[in-house]
Amino acid sequence: AQKITQTQPGMFVQEKEAVTLDCTYDTSDPSYGLFWYKQPSSGEMIFLIYQGSYDQQNATEGRYSLNFQKARKSANLVISASQLGDSAMYFCAMREDDRGSTLGRLYFGRGTQLTVWP
Amino acid sequence: GAVVSQHPSRVICKSGTSVKIECRSLDFQATTMFWYRQFPKQSLMLMATSNEGSKATYEQGVEKDKFLINHASLTLSTLTVTSAHPEDSSFYICSAPRGLAGGPGVDTQYFGPGTRLTVL
Repeated sequence: AQKITQTQPGMFVQEKEAVTLDCTYDTSDPSYGLFWYKQPSSGEMIFLIYQGSYDQQNATEGRYSLNFQKARKSANLVISASQLGDSAMYFCAMREDDRGSTLGRLYFGRGTQLTVWP
Repeated sequence: GAVVSQHPSRVICKSGTSVKIECRSLDFQATTMFWYRQFPKQSLMLMATSNEGSKATYEQGVEKDKFLINHASLTLSTLTVTSAHPEDSSFYICSAPRGLAGGPGVDTQYFGPGTRLTVL
């Protein structure tokens, strides 16, 4: 089974509007971390936001927030007040903290291509 | 600023040559680094886990003799694509997790800027 599922291959949003990118995950590990990365056309992977499985509150970083619903195993990214520069590929990823280690590999979803239009 | 560097950013080579890609953690020590491969408009595929002072762990289907990994120090891992062929053309990207002793961003995994390999 896929560990990370991103069901939206592409999303379109108008500038200054908010957009939600969906992500669901699958793990039996009680301790894990969830990440969102942005990949512009240059290829670099830009870290956006992190949510730990034991974090009680949803993570926020500026215009980015992570809507963490543990029971539903979802970790949607919300971008508020979209900007033209937000156009990029967005990847959701998960790290399983086997035996408490936070140094493990990431499992990636297929990504969502976000296009922000004026 | 960047905390993981990767060199070169772009390389074009002839079929049959070997290409070395370096991945460096700039301000923290990384006992583990990861090497990914990405085809256009696809996700990142983990190739191998690089472990400082020991052999790399390769994912199923990745040829160890084709993709040689050396993690000689706590800040440097190298990936050598041996006898490269056109089908090896891809975007290669490394990452390094920052451990609990690393200060701010302890739960973050940082990526290098990537290397675009084109084999003619």
